Amino acid sequence: EDQVTQSPEALRLQEGESSSLNCSYTVSGLRGLFWYRQDPGKGPEFLFTLYSAGEEKEKERLKATLTKKESFLHITAPKPEDSATYLCAVQASGGTSYGKLTFGQGTILTVHP
Amino acid sequence: SQTIHQWPATLVQPVGSPLSLECTVEGTSNPNLYWYRQAAGRGLQLLFYSVGIGQISSEVPQNLSASRPQDRQFILSSKKLLLSDSGFYLCAWSSGGSAQPQHFGDGTRLSIL
Repeated sequence: EDQVTQSPEALRLQEGESSSLNCSYTVSGLRGLFWYRQDPGKGPEFLFTLYSAGEEKEKERLKATLTKKESFLHITAPKPEDSATYLCAVQASGGTSYGKLTFGQGTILTVHP
Repeated sequence: SQTIHQWPATLVQPVGSPLSLECTVEGTSNPNLYWYRQAAGRGLQLLFYSVGIGQISSEVPQNLSASRPQDRQFILSSKKLLLSDSGFYLCAWSSGGSAQPQHFGDGTRLSIL
């Protein structure tokens, strides 16, 4: 069974204090790993797709990296507007559920001014 | 550009009443469509997915059903709601193909009294 574990559950940072969120995964074969941002009362907003170990993607203050067992979302010099829940999801190769994503529980990020 | 609409945004229903939540997608053809439920403080659970009109697959046994009467319309229904049906319901779409990201609507907050 595919599993995704995110840590920490919650992270509080001061504005400008860089840090990383972790997403550990177990899948029979990885088709893709996805990062989303979710604001309270809203649907998740797509950030990145990573396909293979060693791949990196960047968007503004966010940088996502991927190894064979985990992914990191690095946040450089965060601002209060980066506060949100960050979700990680994997899509496994094969299986019977085409396009199915398995989500982690998320990391709640709070950035204080 | 593609957009996804869900309504209503919030809904309060008595136990035993019927349910109909609607989701429509604009700006794309033949999307894959998904219904998720997100419990408070938890990740997303896939309920149904559809790869075409009239084609519905269920991920978990439950009190809900889904239908896709048109290419870009996805409906979540119940004949009699249970207390356990409360939650945040999200509709998503993706393009066909391998490891395509899913894009979410803003969800419906359903409360059962």
